[in-house]
Amino acid sequence: DVKVTQSSRYLVKRTGEKVFLECVQDMDHENMFWYRQDPGLGLRLIYFSYDVKMKEKGDIPEGYSVSREKKERFSLILESASTNQTSMYLCASSSQGASGANVLTFGAGSRLTVL
Amino acid sequence: AQTVTQSQPEMSVQEAETVTLSCTYDTSENNYYLFWYKQPPSRQMILVIRQEAYKQQNATENRFSVNFQKAAKSFSLKISDSQLGDTAMYFCAFMKPRGGNKLVFGAGTILRVKS
Repeated sequence: DVKVTQSSRYLVKRTGEKVFLECVQDMDHENMFWYRQDPGLGLRLIYFSYDVKMKEKGDIPEGYSVSREKKERFSLILESASTNQTSMYLCASSSQGASGANVLTFGAGSRLTVL
Repeated sequence: AQTVTQSQPEMSVQEAETVTLSCTYDTSENNYYLFWYKQPPSRQMILVIRQEAYKQQNATENRFSVNFQKAAKSFSLKISDSQLGDTAMYFCAFMKPRGGNKLVFGAGTILRVKS
């Protein structure tokens, strides 16, 4: 069964802390994504990666950075966590097949609370 | 930029009945893809159904079907014979081709199936 695994289901951090959210996929997918989910706003794209060491900003990249050193792993980094980054974070991956409508497979989400 | 609107924040339906969730979108693209994802309380996002805009035939997957009206930019989801396990948040999403498989999501509709 294909999988996207997010290392932490729940995290509680302090304002100003550096936070790492890890995501690993076992499907050899080229594309990986980080979304943020907030009530009434749906999911919004933070960053996207289409290859190792390649990244592209999404709609809300401010306050975040990402790292993709290996194909299977995509990390989201909050350099200095703030209370407005309290949210649910979802990682996803997809292949770069020719069909153009490749389905995203999602992880179970990481709920981050910043105090 | 593309936008996706789900105008029903919450809906409820009796078990075994039929319910329709609404979704409209805005795009200048002629070819694109539309999706419905389901997020149960476990938080795992699951693909429900996918529609390709160049296909006039509405997609169906067992009890789930869509009413795709391209001219009206409408993409509603019909769930027949609702089951308790259908209780979830449902997201409508848009993807344009050659866009790196990035999804643009609506705000979501919470569906509660009552026994």
